Amino acid sequence: DAGVIQSPRHEVTEMGQEVTLRCKPISGHNSLFWYRQTMMRGLELLIYFNNNVPIDDSGMPEDRFSAKMPNASFSTLKIQPSEPRDSAVYFCASSLAPGTGNTIYFGEGSWLTVV
Amino acid sequence: DAKTTQPTSMDCAEGRAANLPCNHSTISGNEYVYWYRQIHSQGPQYIIHGLKNNETNEMASLIITEDRKSSTLILPHATLRDTAVYYCIVRVGGGSQGNLIFGKGTKLSVKP
Repeated sequence: DAGVIQSPRHEVTEMGQEVTLRCKPISGHNSLFWYRQTMMRGLELLIYFNNNVPIDDSGMPEDRFSAKMPNASFSTLKIQPSEPRDSAVYFCASSLAPGTGNTIYFGEGSWLTVV
Repeated sequence: DAKTTQPTSMDCAEGRAANLPCNHSTISGNEYVYWYRQIHSQGPQYIIHGLKNNETNEMASLIITEDRKSSTLILPHATLRDTAVYYCIVRVGGGSQGNLIFGKGTKLSVKP
C-alpha cells in the first residue's frame, strides 16, 4: 500500500497567491482529515470528511481556507489569498470509518512557506 | 482540547526500556487510548491503541490501569531511531467523532 500521498511536499509562495494542497487517501478508506502543524499551536485538526462529506470544519481558521473532497480518492485544501501566518506543515490523514478503534494514517505533509 | 497529560520530555539510554506515562483521568467508557509518534520532519506514525486490556505489537506495549485513568507506553529496547515526540490521545471509538486531538506530547531523547 502506498499510504496517504500528499502534494506538493514543499511550496514557497508570495503573500496573496492562491495555494492548493492535494491529498490521495489510502484506497478503501472513507474518512479523511486535514491537520495543520506549527511550532506555536502544535497539531490542529482543520476539517474531517466521512464518505466525501464534511463532518466537522470547526477548525478551519477563516474563509480564506476551503476544502473539498470530490471523490473517495482525492481531496484538496485551498488557501486564497495566502498570508505569511499560514506558513505551516499541512498533514492529510485517512482511516476506515470512525468507530471500533480504526487507525488514522498520516501522509508526510506539505511544507508551506508564504513570504 | 486534548484530554491527556504527558511529561514534556524524557531521556532514555539506548538499549533500555522507555516507559512513557500518560494521564487521562476524564476518559469515558467508549474512548480508546491511542499512541502516535512524530519523528522530526515526518508525519505522525501510529504505534498502538487500546480500550481496556493491555496491548502489545511489534513496536511497543500499552499498559492501561484498571480504572483507565492512566496508561504507559513501553518501548522495550529503545534505539536512537526512537527519538521522537510521542503523543497520547483519547479518541471516541464509535459514532461520528472519529478524529484525533493532539496535545503537546513527550519529547523522548534516546542517548547512546
